[in-house]
Amino acid sequence: DAGVTQSPTHLIKTRGQQVTLRCSPKSGHDTVSWYQQALGQGPQFIFQYYEEEERQRGNFPDRFSGHQFPNYSSELNVNALLLGDSALYLCASSLEWGVYEQFFGPGTRLTVL
Amino acid sequence: GDSVTQMEGPVTLSEEAFLTINCTYTATGYPSLFWYVQYPGEGLQLLLKATKADDKGSNKGFEATYRKETTSFHLEKGSVQVSDSAVYFCALSNAGGTSYGKLTFGQGTILTVHP
Repeated sequence: DAGVTQSPTHLIKTRGQQVTLRCSPKSGHDTVSWYQQALGQGPQFIFQYYEEEERQRGNFPDRFSGHQFPNYSSELNVNALLLGDSALYLCASSLEWGVYEQFFGPGTRLTVL
Repeated sequence: GDSVTQMEGPVTLSEEAFLTINCTYTATGYPSLFWYVQYPGEGLQLLLKATKADDKGSNKGFEATYRKETTSFHLEKGSVQVSDSAVYFCALSNAGGTSYGKLTFGQGTILTVHP
């Protein structure tokens, strides 16, 4: 049973560019959440998708957007990258919206130069 | 809003020592509480959970008890191993209001176990 997968593993971008990160949830899960983990910090909630709609959003600017596809996979898009966007981006999936147990992927390490 | 506070880290222990990592929380209602572990270069793995007051979560020798009266969820292990070296995160999820469905994490505690 495949767990949560994310791609790419690492990514290097320059300021002002745009980036798209991808996530496939654990088999049977229909809800996907995205978190940003800065170096030495705990993960911070970005947003959550269920039934192809954004259901919850954390304190992140509109430069951060997402999408969920009919097969429950998800994308995180970040526009106009800033140096401060450098972080590990974690995707988590859960069985259904509001179920508390979330399973995390290995993350995508984004470096903005 | 909801918040989680973990003990200031890092923690360095010798193998077979007793481990305690403190975690306290602030939340309305009745949150569910979690401990996640992150090994170097990896994502987060759920270590244990408790969904109501006085519940004890346990896994791989680790334990934590949900104490509503002290708003705490301290992680303990009787005898640590070198392989337990990792970063440990306390987290909560709350069914109330704007917290529905999301996890709120503490800042993490780095544990290093020496042979």
